[in-house]
Amino acid sequence: QKEVEQNSGPLSVPEGAIASLNCTYSDRGSQSFFWYRQYSGKSPELIMSIYSNGDKEDGRFTAQLNKASQYVSLLIRDSQPSDSATYLCAVSPNQAGTALIFGKGTTLSVSS
Amino acid sequence: EADIYQTPRYLVIGTGKKITLECSQTMGHDKMYWYQQDPGMELHLIHYSYGVNSTEKGDLSSESTVSRIRTEHFPLTLESARPSHTSQYLCASSFHMNTEAFFGQGTRLTVV
Repeated sequence: QKEVEQNSGPLSVPEGAIASLNCTYSDRGSQSFFWYRQYSGKSPELIMSIYSNGDKEDGRFTAQLNKASQYVSLLIRDSQPSDSATYLCAVSPNQAGTALIFGKGTTLSVSS
Repeated sequence: EADIYQTPRYLVIGTGKKITLECSQTMGHDKMYWYQQDPGMELHLIHYSYGVNSTEKGDLSSESTVSRIRTEHFPLTLESARPSHTSQYLCASSFHMNTEAFFGQGTRLTVV
């Protein structure tokens, strides 16, 4: 059974701080990794994709991937109250023809 | 900007009724998915499709059925709604199975 693990949180950070969200996955052959943000009662929204080891930056967001450790993370710099949401990690399994596997999500709370 | 649409957004219906949740996308994606999500809980894949005339059951057993007669359209049907079907239903699509998926706004179903 392929798994994607995330701490459920809540992760609480003050406004302006760096929020660090972590995700581990079990399928060593996974090639594609995604972070989604989901506000309460809304649908998931794609915020980052990462495919190779290292860092990928997009505005205040940085995704980090370490395939050897089977670990992917999302850093949010200068956290804002509007970043308060659940962040879902999604991984494409190595097996062809299967859908993305989503973690259960980490709830982030940014206090002003 | 993802162009995937779900209707209705909200539905309250009596037990035993037949309902169809609509999902359409204008991105030309072959792959489409239905997820079920209870408030504050994880996403569960209930159905997916590789393309026209292709449908598969997902990880979560569901009493719903789907069809894929046209690339852009992937409706989900409940023949006889029950209170246990009360949930949010999310439709998504992707270019390939292992690429990022884009979600519709969701249908919040309440069966009374």
